[in-house]
Amino acid sequence: AQSVSQHNHHVILSEAASLELGCNYSYGGTVNLFWYVQYPGQHLQLLLKYFSGDPLVKGIKGFEAEFIKSKFSFNLRKPSVQWSDTAEYFCAVKGLNDMRFGAGTRLTVKP
Amino acid sequence: SAVISQKPSRDICQRGTSLTIQCQVDSQVTMMFWYRQQPGQSLTLIATANQGSEATYESGFVIDKFPISRPNLTFSTLTVSNMSPEDSSIYLCSAGTGESYEQYFGPGTRLTVT
Repeated sequence: AQSVSQHNHHVILSEAASLELGCNYSYGGTVNLFWYVQYPGQHLQLLLKYFSGDPLVKGIKGFEAEFIKSKFSFNLRKPSVQWSDTAEYFCAVKGLNDMRFGAGTRLTVKP
Repeated sequence: SAVISQKPSRDICQRGTSLTIQCQVDSQVTMMFWYRQQPGQSLTLIATANQGSEATYESGFVIDKFPISRPNLTFSTLTVSNMSPEDSSIYLCSAGTGESYEQYFGPGTRLTVT
């Protein structure tokens, strides 16, 4: 069965620092890839998605992610984080028949 | 996009009872899903709610424990039956269209079983 791994459980950064959250998956076929974000007290929201085409995708709030097929990775990046980026981030992968979520990475940005 | 609401937002229930969670979408959607998110853990798909037919359950989840209804394209219910403390969790409804599985999530129902 496919699986999704997020390497970091909790990341703590200062404002203006750069961010990269890792996501790897195990499914070898065609995939759709997603990053979701859950701000404190709010529901899950779609941050960005990759279906096909340019492997570098841009999402809301300055986030981007790069799909590297050879590495089965879809890492999330942001050049300069803000305090308002404090949230839980989930990577999700849709394989042939189902959708799997990673365990999530909690990001804390210190002002 | 779709806006999803869930009721109740939270509940505290006694062991052995059942709770039905409602999920309403503001537009017609192809797919509706039910997830469980236990504290500190990721989302686990319980089932896909199929309109007009029986839900499709993931491994480890059965209809007797988690009966699901989907009478139309905008509404679904999940019942957590014969609850035990292990069922304490956040239950999330999501909706999506097309084969891409791009999903929109509801606010969740926080269930505590005592």
